[in-house]
Amino acid sequence: SQTIHQWPATLVQPVGSPLSLECTVEGTSNPNLYWYRQAAGRGLQLLFYSVGIGQISSEVPQNLSASRPQDRQFILSSKKLLLSDSGFYLCAWSSGTLYGYTFGSGTRLTVV
Amino acid sequence: KQEVTQIPAALSVPEGENLVLNCSFTDSAIYNLQWFRQDPGKGLTSLLLIQSSQREQTSGRLNASLDKSSGRSTLYIAASQPGDSATYLCAVFTGNQFYFGTGTSLTVIP
Repeated sequence: SQTIHQWPATLVQPVGSPLSLECTVEGTSNPNLYWYRQAAGRGLQLLFYSVGIGQISSEVPQNLSASRPQDRQFILSSKKLLLSDSGFYLCAWSSGTLYGYTFGSGTRLTVV
Repeated sequence: KQEVTQIPAALSVPEGENLVLNCSFTDSAIYNLQWFRQDPGKGLTSLLLIQSSQREQTSGRLNASLDKSSGRSTLYIAASQPGDSATYLCAVFTGNQFYFGTGTSLTVIP
């Protein structure tokens, strides 16, 4: 069966520090991968999605970047965190239009 | 751009009551609609996925319906239990990404 792993679960980082969040999927190949952010009291905002290795699409301009170095690995990064980067970050995968999303357990990021 | 609205934003019901959560979307050109549950501080758990050609899906005490032409979906929860307390989100898939509503926060009172 397919599983998605996301880590760390929580992270507290000072302003200006770098960030690296990792997401991996097991049990499938060539998944579509997504990074979402959920700010307190707000809906989910799509940050990045990827349909293949090295293929990254960004939905909103921001202080973050994403990379897909391997088929089932998706990384969210920042060189210098801002206070506004705080939030709940969720990774998701999909096999295609018929199969919906499966989400990871999320990372709670607090920038102090 | 697709917009997804969920009403009500919050709902509190006594245990055992049947309830309906609503989801509406502005663009009927969707591939499917998915209902999720989110517990506080946790990720999203998929409840039901309805393809655009389907009218409803059922899983246990949950039943989701889809009226694509009118841009509406409902999630029916029968015989609610305190363990059903969570935020329920609907999302529509347009081919590139899912668009999410802001959710309905449900509290089931014992």
